[in-house]
Amino acid sequence: DAGVIQSPRHEVTEMGQEVTLRCKPISGHDYLFWYRQTMMRGLELLIYFNNNVPIDDSGMPEDRFSAKMPNASFSTLKIQPSEPRDSAVYFCASSPIGAYNEQFFGPGTRLTVL
Amino acid sequence: AQSVTQLGSHVSVSEGALVLLRCNYSSSVPPYLFWYVQYPNQGLQLLLKYTSAATLVKGINGFEAEFKKSETSFHLTKPSAHMSDAAEYFCAVSASGNTPLVFGKGTRLSVIA
Repeated sequence: DAGVIQSPRHEVTEMGQEVTLRCKPISGHDYLFWYRQTMMRGLELLIYFNNNVPIDDSGMPEDRFSAKMPNASFSTLKIQPSEPRDSAVYFCASSPIGAYNEQFFGPGTRLTVL
Repeated sequence: AQSVTQLGSHVSVSEGALVLLRCNYSSSVPPYLFWYVQYPNQGLQLLLKYTSAATLVKGINGFEAEFKKSETSFHLTKPSAHMSDAAEYFCAVSASGNTPLVFGKGTRLSVIA
């Protein structure tokens, strides 16, 4: 079985540009999570979905960040406009119903905003 | 609110030596506790979990952790370190089976030949 798939793996962009990160969760999983990892703040939960519906977006840092899950097999995290402080590794994770915290992580997208 | 503290951002052990990674938690309710491992340039992978059953939990790759309520600890151990164990290890806590994980800052394990 394929694991969680994220694209791109690396993204380098300039300040002010729009960035879109993509995630394909494991088939059959009901929960999808977006995390951000930095040296300073560690691993932070940004938002999570249950059956494609956003449940908790309290971790989204500001209005420049938005996330969507149009169907069970695809989610996006968008940053518009991007800023240098958004540079981080962004992870997508998914988990099955009944095992919410047994999360399967993708390989991450390393974002660098110049 | 739940939180975890991992003591030591970096631990170095010799191959074949005991691995001990420390995690203390704070929780207002009986916690669910987890250890995840992150190998270089990869996402996190679940090692083991405690969900109020047996206090000694066995995970993958020979790791185990013991829940000690009196010490509010959930330390991760492995009797004999392998080179392949070199990675970052994260302790995490949740208030229940369906509330968000709160991760510690992580401990980087180096294994010396």
